[in-house]
Amino acid sequence: DTGVSQDPRHKITKRGQNVTFRCDPISEHNRLYWYRQTLGQGPEFLTYFQNEAQLEKSRLLSDRFSAERPKGSFSTLEIQRTEQGDSAMYLCASSISGGLREKLFFGSGTQLSVL
Amino acid sequence: AQSVTQLGSHVSVSEGALVLLRCNYSSSVPPYLFWYVQYPNQGLQLLLKYTTGATLVKGINGFEAEFKKSETSFHLTKPSAHMSDAAEYFCAVSSDTGNQFYFGTGTSLTVIP
Repeated sequence: DTGVSQDPRHKITKRGQNVTFRCDPISEHNRLYWYRQTLGQGPEFLTYFQNEAQLEKSRLLSDRFSAERPKGSFSTLEIQRTEQGDSAMYLCASSISGGLREKLFFGSGTQLSVL
Repeated sequence: AQSVTQLGSHVSVSEGALVLLRCNYSSSVPPYLFWYVQYPNQGLQLLLKYTTGATLVKGINGFEAEFKKSETSFHLTKPSAHMSDAAEYFCAVSSDTGNQFYFGTGTSLTVIP
């Protein structure tokens, strides 16, 4: 169990640029979640995958955001035409459906700063 | 709909004193409740969870929480604070489908030597 890993840890970009983040969940976990956390707030749900299927998306996920999990393993979160309001910590979490499904294992996050 | 409210964004206690972090929930269905801890530059880590059964739940690092339906509360306690407990603590409730988790705004715990 190597834990959930996220890459990069930090990303600084200029407004209008596209950015992509990667998340590698724990290998046997079939559920993968993306959350966004801003300063002074708790994590906010963005989207969730079960295997390769994206089953739920938050209203926070505007059309500039897209997430994929093509083979049911790693996932990517892309933000197009970034805005300053996108600056936040983007957290990935994984879990197993059924059994201990309620327990989320979080990565350390990707801190995005949009200048 | 499910939500949690954490009272007090900052709590300071002396080393060895009781830790009490408050969480109240709102849920249209029997809730699954959680406490997570976040240390600086790290991801969130599960402290404990309540699903069904015993209302007093014990977690890691000496923390425990009691589910009180009549008060819609799930407060986190620890009898004696340690310096290593300084962190951000988040209360969370899962959605009725179990597919989403709703987090509170967090409580930052400072332990004074």
